[in-house]
Amino acid sequence: RKEVEQDPGPFNVPEGATVAFNCTYSNSASQSFFWYRQDCRKEPKLLMSVYSSGNEDGRFTAQLNRASQYISLLIRDSKLSDSATYLCVVNTGNQFYFGTGTSLTVIP
Amino acid sequence: NAGVTQTPKFRVLKTGQSMTLLCAQDMNHEYMYWYRQDPGMGLRLIHYSVGEGTTAKGEVPDGYNVSRLKKQNFLLGLESAAPSQTSVYFCASSLRPPRFPYEQYFGPGTRLTVT
Repeated sequence: RKEVEQDPGPFNVPEGATVAFNCTYSNSASQSFFWYRQDCRKEPKLLMSVYSSGNEDGRFTAQLNRASQYISLLIRDSKLSDSATYLCVVNTGNQFYFGTGTSLTVIP
Repeated sequence: NAGVTQTPKFRVLKTGQSMTLLCAQDMNHEYMYWYRQDPGMGLRLIHYSVGEGTTAKGEVPDGYNVSRLKKQNFLLGLESAAPSQTSVYFCASSLRPPRFPYEQYFGPGTRLTVT
């Protein structure tokens, strides 16, 4: 079983739409959780950490459900510049485990 | 600060050749990592280091060796390259989890093709 699983998409949404991505992780001992963004042929960059109480950063909201081992990312009012691959990342011990990523294209 | 840098950015090798990828970070991070990224596979950890002079195996270590002689540098070696090692290689660094902020910072990647 993979450590982190994501729906690969692709998600194609119009500008202004709300889109949600989901991710599940297998190890209940995982300690920290993140969403990274990766643009085509570039390195991943941190979008936001995910806290147990849920957290928001502008148009982005992340949620964590430890009981269900489930992480989500909600993007409101999508912009063309949001087009990218979104990676769910889980830290367990000394290692970080990456999902395969969810591809988002925002259409004018 | 340059952050995390990787050398080289691109390389083409013939099967059986060797090479070393260099990763350098100027953020005084304890932890450093080498990943490979292949289509449909996500990033997979090759080796990592929790401090100068220490290394450990990740998920896909076979065919690679690493060294961390200085805190700021992490070297990835391919002794005898194989076509299956064609990939994009990313280096990353972080503070020791769960010290805050402990997210990973990535280098720009090395695109390696083995023919």
